[in-house]
Amino acid sequence: GDSVTQMEGPVTLSEEAFLTINCTYTATGYPSLFWYVQYPGEGLQLLLKATKADDKGSNKGFEATYRKETTSFHLEKGSVQVSDSAVYFCALSDRAFNKFYFGSGTKLNVKP
Amino acid sequence: EPEVTQTPSHQVTQMGQEVILRCVPISNHLYFYWYRQILGQKVEFLVSFYNNEISEKSEIFDDQFSVERPDGSNFTLKIRSTKLEDSAMYFCASSERGVTSRTTQAFFGQGTRLTVV
Repeated sequence: GDSVTQMEGPVTLSEEAFLTINCTYTATGYPSLFWYVQYPGEGLQLLLKATKADDKGSNKGFEATYRKETTSFHLEKGSVQVSDSAVYFCALSDRAFNKFYFGSGTKLNVKP
Repeated sequence: EPEVTQTPSHQVTQMGQEVILRCVPISNHLYFYWYRQILGQKVEFLVSFYNNEISEKSEIFDDQFSVERPDGSNFTLKIRSTKLEDSAMYFCASSERGVTSRTTQAFFGQGTRLTVV
């Protein structure tokens, strides 16, 4: 069945460091891919998405490219800020079913 | 910005008791969902709801679970007789269209942490 695997956390970085959070997926069809973020005490917020192969989603300096050949959707940011500290979830939505499959989440701590 | 709100933020209940988790989806949305996350595990799909009926449910969503949209604004998840393993964060979500649509976005609430003791 469909599934998402993302790197274990927590990830601790200094401010202005480069961020990569790895995400790979397994899907039988042609899913859309998402990154959601959860700031402390808040709900899951859509960060970015890509709906087909080679699409790049971007928002707030974060980017992720839908790579069908490697079944990956890695999240990157060139220079993280303390305010980026949150839990990041990779997810896919299956075209056949009206639901998301989520990864387990990666906690990012950014230190000043 | 419109948001999905969930109450309570934290609920503690004794094993065997019934609990109702409440959600107020975004007003013009038509699709509603419940997900849960057991501590340290993945966020798992429980159920989707459209046009006043369940459109899909997972294996987790057994006879102990039910959902209802009682008054056109609230969307509730009821667990009839809670078990220790029901302890988790429960997320409600809503979307204008199904998540398979390229243009839709699902909005999630902040979650209700359920602790069964």
